[in-house]
Amino acid sequence: KNEVEQSPQNLTAQEGEFITINCSYSVGISALHWLQQHPGGGIVSLFMLSSGKKKHGRLIATINIQEKHSSLHITASHPRDSAVYICAVPAGETSGSRLTFGEGTQLTVNP
Amino acid sequence: DAGVTQSPTHLIKTRGQQVTLRCSPISGHKSVSWYQQVLGQGPQFIFQYYEKEERGRGNFPDRFSARQFPNYSSELNVNALLLGDSALYLCASSLVLRGSWGNIQYFGAGTRLSVL
Repeated sequence: KNEVEQSPQNLTAQEGEFITINCSYSVGISALHWLQQHPGGGIVSLFMLSSGKKKHGRLIATINIQEKHSSLHITASHPRDSAVYICAVPAGETSGSRLTFGEGTQLTVNP
Repeated sequence: DAGVTQSPTHLIKTRGQQVTLRCSPISGHKSVSWYQQVLGQGPQFIFQYYEKEERGRGNFPDRFSARQFPNYSSELNVNALLLGDSALYLCASSLVLRGSWGNIQYFGAGTRLSVL
């Protein structure tokens, strides 16, 4: 089973700050997912990446396959970014298989 | 296009009862997975179905069962409900079971089950 650890568990920031959330996993993977979960439960897929870096607006995700580590960065954070951010990796060998999730990082951005 | 839809959105049951949760995947998606998310924790995998066959099962008791229909929609059934079954139940669909780089899973909004 692939174990996934996220840090920090909770993060409070002021509007405009640069945010970093980290994810480490134990077993080699084909791709890693970053997900966002707002109060009420709905989960949105932010990124799926297997190498290097991806950018979407103010969000940047990086992955180092050799070190089994990924980071999610938020530039110029805004109160609407407040949510739980979850890292997930495939439990099996391929990116389409079931996911093992981290515990999530609760981000609160204050105005 | 509609995303993944789940019904009902909220449900209250008492211990010992049975519950059925429903999920409709994105049109064209053949793989459906079910996850349980207890408050304050990350989701835990329950089942994965592809082409109407069970392709994976998590560490859940036999009280949990599921099926996938010819139109790729899916039901999750839980019998003999316990207080600990109270959770958000999430359904996710993807185009295929495995393989391609672009195989992102799309999540529904979930069904919040409360067992009293």
